[in-house]
Amino acid sequence: IAGITQAPTSQILAAGRRMTLRCTQDMRHNAMYWYRQDLGLGLRLIHYSNTAGTTGKGEVPDGYSVSRANTDDFPLTLASAVPSQTSVYFCASTLDRGPFYEQYFGPGTRLTVT
Amino acid sequence: GQNIDQPTEMTATEGAIVQINCTYQTSGFNGLFWYQQHAGEAPTFLSYNVLDGLEEKGRFSSFLSRSKGYSYLLLKELQMKDSASYLCAVRDGDYKLSFGAGTTVTVRA
Repeated sequence: IAGITQAPTSQILAAGRRMTLRCTQDMRHNAMYWYRQDLGLGLRLIHYSNTAGTTGKGEVPDGYSVSRANTDDFPLTLASAVPSQTSVYFCASTLDRGPFYEQYFGPGTRLTVT
Repeated sequence: GQNIDQPTEMTATEGAIVQINCTYQTSGFNGLFWYQQHAGEAPTFLSYNVLDGLEEKGRFSSFLSRSKGYSYLLLKELQMKDSASYLCAVRDGDYKLSFGAGTTVTVRA
């Protein structure tokens, strides 16, 4: 693994189903983030984690949950998917939450909820 | 809350210069980032400004005025591969990024 990986690449999901999007990084970055990207709205922060064992809510957290059991993994769970959660989901990480550090993005997961 | 504005679309000719403006109003400021995103791909880092002034990096330059809540990204000597979306993002007082909706730049031959 090099950088950030996400799985699956794409998924079609029936409404009401539970789904976990996976995100793994091998850069030993402390902070990790989940965004959704919708046309005309840009990237919006769903949840974040500044370090293993801690999580926080972003701009659009409703309907989503996260966990950070270790440094490398940051899964995003949709407990009961709804069509409005159709989007492209990006996971990102940064070495630390200091001012200079850029965020590195995974390749994204395209999710369609029908 | 955060409010970040940038134009939706811009078109320019190969070899020309294009300037993408970004205005912002945020609670706290810890730097402004520009990212490039090609269609169907992840955003990639282009530039970072935390102090007023111009940062130059090859064909790309970025400017920041904190007192005006204003930044621009300057793309010089445009190439076809520069056709992409350019995202302005502001890091707030809690070190989280807020993104503008992005500017789609189309480079024509």
